[in-house]
Amino acid sequence: NAGVMQNPRHLVRRRGQEARLRCSPMKGHSHVYWYRQLPEEGLKFMVYLQKENIIDESGMPKERFSAEFPKEGPSILRIQQVVRGDSAAYFCASSPFEASGQPQHFGDGTRLSIL
Amino acid sequence: ILNVEQSPQSLHVQEGDSTNFTCSFPSSNFYALHWYRWETAKSPEALFVMTLNGDEKKKGRISATLNTKEGYSYLYIKGSQPEDSATYLCARENTGNQFYFGTGTSLTVIP
Repeated sequence: NAGVMQNPRHLVRRRGQEARLRCSPMKGHSHVYWYRQLPEEGLKFMVYLQKENIIDESGMPKERFSAEFPKEGPSILRIQQVVRGDSAAYFCASSPFEASGQPQHFGDGTRLSIL
Repeated sequence: ILNVEQSPQSLHVQEGDSTNFTCSFPSSNFYALHWYRWETAKSPEALFVMTLNGDEKKKGRISATLNTKEGYSYLYIKGSQPEDSATYLCARENTGNQFYFGTGTSLTVIP
């Protein structure tokens, strides 16, 4: 029963490049959440998705950031034209279809470093 | 923005001491309060989920209480051990399944 899988674990990009972060939820989970952890800060909500739908993207910057969770395949968090301030740990979590009151299960995160 | 506040920010205790920390949250649209344990270089691990006012949960030496009317939850650790050293996160789940995390309490247990 594999947990939430995130890849890559570490990603290095130069300013202006694109970063793609992948998240495969636990088997049977159809809700995915993305969080960002900046140095010395806690987890900040970015976006909440269900299969093929963005439910809440209120925590995601309006420009350069996008997320998707297609019918088949992992959820993708995409950051275009990365800047130094995008350096952070990005965590994905999933929860079951009947999500209310269920804990989120977290992946190990992707550490993004911008040179 | 729905702010979840945790205190203290960090805590150092001696092995064998009991300790507790606080999570406060807005009561509006509340559905559940979650506690997570987060060890360095690992992913957050779910400890408890509480939904009803007055709920108490216990797992070994760790327990938690919930007061939804005044908007706070306490996490207690009895007889702290070095392996309890971690960051303890609380998160408020609202009625729309959105989670709002506090910044955590970092616990260090000194042998």
